[in-house]
Amino acid sequence: EAQVTQNPRYLITVTGKKLTVTCSQNMNHEYMSWYRQDPGLGLRQIYYSMNVEVTDKGDVPEGYKVSRKEKRNFPLILESPSPNQTSLYFCASSSLETAIRTQYFGPGTRLLVL
Amino acid sequence: QKEVEQDPGPLSVPEGAIVSLNCTYSNSAFQYFMWYRQYSRKGPELLMYTYSSGNKEDGRFTAQVDKSSKYISLFIRDSQPSDSATYLCAMMGGSEKLVFGKGTKLTVNP
Repeated sequence: EAQVTQNPRYLITVTGKKLTVTCSQNMNHEYMSWYRQDPGLGLRQIYYSMNVEVTDKGDVPEGYKVSRKEKRNFPLILESPSPNQTSLYFCASSSLETAIRTQYFGPGTRLLVL
Repeated sequence: QKEVEQDPGPLSVPEGAIVSLNCTYSNSAFQYFMWYRQYSRKGPELLMYTYSSGNKEDGRFTAQVDKSSKYISLFIRDSQPSDSATYLCAMMGGSEKLVFGKGTKLTVNP
């Protein structure tokens, strides 16, 4: 089954404790992206990657890091989480052929930073 | 002015009603227009996309784009309780950047 998986699905952590949210897709997609979704603000892009070793900032990259060492994986790293990073995070992927207009989204990771 | 505006609702309709969901935008460079559906506690899923102006129909769903007015719509005919979700419009233009509306929450009552 074609899918985007994220782990963990739920996470409670404390300020300053480094964490990584993993994202993996099995569709051989070149394009992968991370979004955060907040009430009243909608979906905002954090980082995206057009292919292996190619990453770029989205609209709200501050406080986040990403890496793309393999085509299928695109982890999101919070080096020193802060309470304002409490949010619902989505990973998405698409093929470059269809560009980013037909993105497949993961199930989401709900993060609470205390 | 925000790039994409979407009324958050909530919108509540009886089963069988015709639902109209809308977004307006300010960036005339937008060429691709998408509608995503997001069920509670799930990721968004692509419903439809259209290129430039015109209509596109898929079953009970019709997407409409009016570039002259910078206005897009999604119509749902014979709405069902299973259509209850948040609907997000999204658009992109010359850059590989997708801009989302904030979503409209729809409830279809049996």
